[in-house]
Amino acid sequence: KQEVTQIPAALSVPEGENLVLNCSFTDSAIYNLQWFRQDPGKGLTSLLLIQSSQREQTSGRLNASLDKSSGRSTLYIAASQPGDSATYLCAVQGGSEKLVFGKGTKLTVNP
Amino acid sequence: EAQVTQNPRYLITVTGKKLTVTCSQNMNHEYMSWYRQDPGLGLRQIYYSMNVEVTDKGDVPEGYKVSRKEKRNFPLILESPSPNQTSLYFCASSSNTGSFYNEQFFGPGTRLTVL
Repeated sequence: KQEVTQIPAALSVPEGENLVLNCSFTDSAIYNLQWFRQDPGKGLTSLLLIQSSQREQTSGRLNASLDKSSGRSTLYIAASQPGDSATYLCAVQGGSEKLVFGKGTKLTVNP
Repeated sequence: EAQVTQNPRYLITVTGKKLTVTCSQNMNHEYMSWYRQDPGLGLRQIYYSMNVEVTDKGDVPEGYKVSRKEKRNFPLILESPSPNQTSLYFCASSSNTGSFYNEQFFGPGTRLTVL
């Protein structure tokens, strides 16, 4: 059974800092991995999708990498801003079509 | 605007009173899914649908029903709600490309309280 772990559960950083969020998964047989952002009481916003054949994806200040063989992904946020404060979720999709989510990392960027 | 919509956004009901949460997407997506989100448990899949008239159970299907009569709609039905179904519910959709599933788009969520 696929399990997804995100470490740390919470992270607080000063504005402007570069930071890395980690995601690990137990079964490397995945189709893709997706990073989401969730604001309190709100829905999920897709940030980046990495197909299993890809190593990384970039969007603006965000860069996500995928190492399928080791079961790891990282989300790199450059020059963090207070508006980046949210919970970040990673999810993997395997042969059963469903997304399996981690429990998220709650990020606080302090002005 | 491409989007997934859910209604209602908030609902308070009582045990045993049947309810339906609607989900609609305007992106012509084949794949649709329902998740529930609970503190400490994260997001778990309830049901999913690969296309019209094709539905299957996710991880936590007990107490829920779904139907997929049209491509754009995927309602979630609670025939006899119970307090343990109090949760935040999300509908999602994506397009299929062979065996690869593209990014999933999520609705804004429905916060359900069952008294």
